[in-house]
Amino acid sequence: GAVVSQHPSWVICKSGTSVKIECRSLDFQATTMFWYRQFPKQSLMLMATSNEGSKATYEQGVEKDKFLINHASLTLSTLTVTSAHPEDSSFYICSARGQGSGSYNSPLHFGNGTRLTVT
Amino acid sequence: SQKIEQNSEALNIQEGKTATLTCNYTNYSPAYLQWYRQDPGRGPVFLLLIRENEKEKRKERLKVTFDTTLKQSLFHITASQPADSATYLCALERLTGGGNKLTFGTGTQLKVEL
Repeated sequence: GAVVSQHPSWVICKSGTSVKIECRSLDFQATTMFWYRQFPKQSLMLMATSNEGSKATYEQGVEKDKFLINHASLTLSTLTVTSAHPEDSSFYICSARGQGSGSYNSPLHFGNGTRLTVT
Repeated sequence: SQKIEQNSEALNIQEGKTATLTCNYTNYSPAYLQWYRQDPGRGPVFLLLIRENEKEKRKERLKVTFDTTLKQSLFHITASQPADSATYLCALERLTGGGNKLTFGTGTQLKVEL
């Protein structure tokens, strides 16, 4: 159980275009999902917390107008990278806590990530 | 500032030996510490969680210790196998006004050789 599916697994786009990444919880409902970014040989950096039915909470230094997050249902959160630039090229990973888990101390279930390359 | 440090150098060990990975943290008072495995190009996979009042936790060939005085966690893999080769991440949970958030260390790459 507690499977998180992320799509697409990789995408190449031209500079200036927008890219949407989907994150779905397949067998549970996730009121909260987390979006991370990971550069090569670096750790996961939390970008934002996606809350179903309300606005996302962004970490310091993350532009909310550039990284649009929509959590329209209990099983789907999307991250849209708007007006992408080469420096946005990275590995984007979403995660969620399993259903019934408290917000504290429970493990995260991760999607398999999306490799974004902006040319 | 808050810091989570893992040995950035890769750890190479021989099959059958015990691998020990270290996670040190500063300026945290975590109640929970978690360990994840990450394979190249994939998302992390949860392995173990240990609470501050637990000194040790085991799961099959895995063992985690948590020393809140030293601010350190050790992650052991006994009877290591080539399939254990991956990057291992430790993560600490912090309580913020916006909800609990998991912060990850940089990870240590483990390579188990035949």
